[in-house]
Amino acid sequence: AQTVTQSQPEMSVQEAETVTLSCTYDTSENNYYLFWYKQPPSRQMILVIRQEAYKQQNATENRFSVNFQKAAKSFSLKISDSQLGDTAMYFCAFMSPGYGNKLVFGAGTILRVKS
Amino acid sequence: EAGVAQSPRYKIIEKRQSVAFWCNPISGHATLYWYQQILGQGPKLLIQFQNNGVVDDSQLPKDRFSAERLKGVDSTLKIQPAKLEDSAVYLCASSLEIAGGRETQYFGPGTRLLVL
Repeated sequence: AQTVTQSQPEMSVQEAETVTLSCTYDTSENNYYLFWYKQPPSRQMILVIRQEAYKQQNATENRFSVNFQKAAKSFSLKISDSQLGDTAMYFCAFMSPGYGNKLVFGAGTILRVKS
Repeated sequence: EAGVAQSPRYKIIEKRQSVAFWCNPISGHATLYWYQQILGQGPKLLIQFQNNGVVDDSQLPKDRFSAERLKGVDSTLKIQPAKLEDSAVYLCASSLEIAGGRETQYFGPGTRLLVL
């Protein structure tokens, strides 16, 4: 079975600082995708960033970047220049064609950005 | 472009009652998903449709849950009879095609269900 583990239930960061959210996963698949989703309070969940396992280069989207360590099965999210609007629940997720292309989510990390 | 719509937003029922949720995906999206998100956990896929056919319902408790997607557009998810452990947020999502990693799933606002 594919599992995703987020070991930090809650994190906080000061506005304008950098924070890193951790995620590890377990799979025997070689072809897969990893995602970070953001779920703001009472709002829709949206995709923040995705990483294809066969790509060695870490994905970046503006202030969001990942550190993908395939051998260690680690996929952390770094948020630079944190903004109040980044306050949300962040979910790490896994998908593999060998596992029916189903999104498997971690339990989430609540991130609070303080002014 | 309108997003994924869901209704109702909130529902409170007593155990053993029935409840139905509705989802309207983004126009043109062939694939529709229903997820269950229990408090403190990540979403779990219940059922996936491609047009009006079921692709995956392996995690749907079929003794009490049912879902349909008539005409390949709107979808309804029903629980009959509800149990206390069904209290959760039910999320609907859609994507252009089956999300093979390169497809983005777009989520609705969810329906928060409380079973008393």
